[in-house]
Amino acid sequence: DARVTQTPRHKVTEMGQEVTMRCQPILGHNTVFWYRQTMMQGLELLAYFRNRAPLDDSGMPKDRFSAEMPDATLATLKIQPSEPRDSAVYFCASAGQLSTDTQYFGPGTRLTVL
Amino acid sequence: QKEVEQNSGPLSVPEGAIASLNCTYSDRGSQSFFWYRQYSGKSPELIMFIYSNGDKEDGRFTAQLNKASQYVSLLIRDSQPSDSATYLCAVSSGAGSYQLTFGKGTKLSVIP
Repeated sequence: DARVTQTPRHKVTEMGQEVTMRCQPILGHNTVFWYRQTMMQGLELLAYFRNRAPLDDSGMPKDRFSAEMPDATLATLKIQPSEPRDSAVYFCASAGQLSTDTQYFGPGTRLTVL
Repeated sequence: QKEVEQNSGPLSVPEGAIASLNCTYSDRGSQSFFWYRQYSGKSPELIMFIYSNGDKEDGRFTAQLNKASQYVSLLIRDSQPSDSATYLCAVSSGAGSYQLTFGKGTKLSVIP
């Protein structure tokens, strides 16, 4: 399927709880990105992977966020413990081998931390 | 730090008019330029990309790039109410680069 998919689409949780978001990139795409979007900051790059290897996670708060790509069809973003300031929409995007900067976005996970 | 600047709007245009959206970028080494459309509550959708100076047309959309001025624009001809959305400009250092730097977007409202 030529779409990026993300689950869950919505997540409401309480402060301190663990949150895991999942992404399935477009089949054949080997670069996966995690973004966070808020009204104040816009789209921020959190981390990205190429061929499942993490290339850059400098945009991610290291103490609570972690990103992994256990296989070519699954990327995960985990927040533990979650805080109210993590409330945002989290997007996954993928890009193919030939056009590494042409990114296609998933529908996003809207996270609310109470 | 690489920056991409857009007027946040809202930009209001009447139906049928030309909407002009502008974007400037700080990194003179930028090579690839993208326009994404984002409807409220939805994800960004790639609508245009441009790599070379000049104009690139795709249907009602025209992207314009001026690298000397570090300026990229998107023109939407015959604007329709369905074009009402936020338009995000994104810039990268080119193929082989992985990172896009996004502007915060311009909200366009097309008035019937």
